[in-house]
Amino acid sequence: ETGVTQSPTHLIKTRGQQVTLRCSSQSGHNTVSWYQQALGQGPQFIFQYYREEENGRGNFPPRFSGLQFPNYSSELNVNALELDDSALYLCASSLDRAETQYFGPGTRLLVL
Amino acid sequence: TQLLKQSPQFLSIQEGENLTVYCNSSSVFSSLQWYRQEPGEGPVLLVTVVTGGEVKKLKRLTFQFGDARKDSSLHITAAQTGDTGLYLCAGAKAGGTSYGKLTFGQGTILTVHP
Repeated sequence: ETGVTQSPTHLIKTRGQQVTLRCSSQSGHNTVSWYQQALGQGPQFIFQYYREEENGRGNFPPRFSGLQFPNYSSELNVNALELDDSALYLCASSLDRAETQYFGPGTRLLVL
Repeated sequence: TQLLKQSPQFLSIQEGENLTVYCNSSSVFSSLQWYRQEPGEGPVLLVTVVTGGEVKKLKRLTFQFGDARKDSSLHITAAQTGDTGLYLCAGAKAGGTSYGKLTFGQGTILTVHP
């Protein structure tokens, strides 16, 4: 059984640029959730995708967008990067929107 | 607004001591998860509790879900240096716009000294 994987592991961007982060869900899981974790804080929910459709969104602006593919992998896109977007971005997968979610190792984004 | 409040925020103890971490909320959750996170890595699921009053044991770790499903606790017996890490509680609410969303506490940083 393959766990949740994310790429890249680290990324450095400058303010105003755009970034795409990728996530492969755990084998057999059809639901992917994205979280942002600032340093010293707990993760905050960005949005969730279930069977290729958005299934709930947290308090994040529209410049945070996502996509889920037929193989249930997912992308998180962030446009017009701001310094405050610097964080660890976590992807979590589950089966049929189950509340128990399994996390990937995260992508560390630094915006300069 | 912090829906889930963890306490203490920091905990520094000696190997062999016992400890308890608390997770409290004014909201009712359909389930609550506990995760452990190492620096620079993703959270690793420890346990899910779903029934009010439920107690689950995982070796030296004991998890309890409050009767009203608003709070939880994590108790570690005879802590070891390998228990060092960030402990996170996360609540889930069934149905409505909250479906599938985990709300996390701010975490408890545990350091166990040899």
